[in-house]
Amino acid sequence: GAGVSQTPSNKVTEKGKYVELRCDPISGHTALYWYRQSLGQGPEFLIYFQGTGAADDSGLPNDRFFAVRPEGSVSTLKIQRTERGDSAVYLCASSALGQGNSPLHFGNGTRLTVT
Amino acid sequence: QQQVKQSPQSLIVQKGGISIINCAYENTAFDYFPWYQQFPGKGPALLIAIRPDVSEKKEGRFTISFNKSAKQFSLHIMDSQPGDSATYFCAALYNQGGKLIFGQGTELSVKP
Repeated sequence: GAGVSQTPSNKVTEKGKYVELRCDPISGHTALYWYRQSLGQGPEFLIYFQGTGAADDSGLPNDRFFAVRPEGSVSTLKIQRTERGDSAVYLCASSALGQGNSPLHFGNGTRLTVT
Repeated sequence: QQQVKQSPQSLIVQKGGISIINCAYENTAFDYFPWYQQFPGKGPALLIAIRPDVSEKKEGRFTISFNKSAKQFSLHIMDSQPGDSATYFCAALYNQGGKLIFGQGTELSVKP
């Protein structure tokens, strides 16, 4: 079966622009997670959805970052007024049971470069 | 404090040798400790995981050793192979929630 799909795989944008990153989780997975991974670092938690609602958004760095999951499946991470420091790989993961101790299945990420 | 410290940052091992990666944590509310393997250009993939009520878990060539009193855990890769060359991350789950805290990663290179 298909794994977690993230589009685009690469995104280059100019400072100050708005970007949307899309995540298609594994079918039937109730939980969806966004992480950010900077070069040479471990993934950093951003937000976690259980169904349509954000169960924990404590990792979002500021109000320029927002994520939605309107129908409980596909999710979009939205970044307003991008800054060079936002450059990173944005990883999406999903899990079947919605608890962190059920395996997270990661996509290959979207590499965002802000110039 | 929600932090997981991982060492070494990089590791070179000969084929057939044992690779050992260590992690330490502070928050006693962590209750699930997975290890992830990541290849370049790919997302992390779950390798093996352990709960704090168990001192050791083995799956094939991969073993986690867990020392609850010392708040440390480690990954041992026996008979290391060149195909094991990847970046390894330890992680900890906070109180059965959805937020995994990752270590900084160890880049493993297994030489033929």
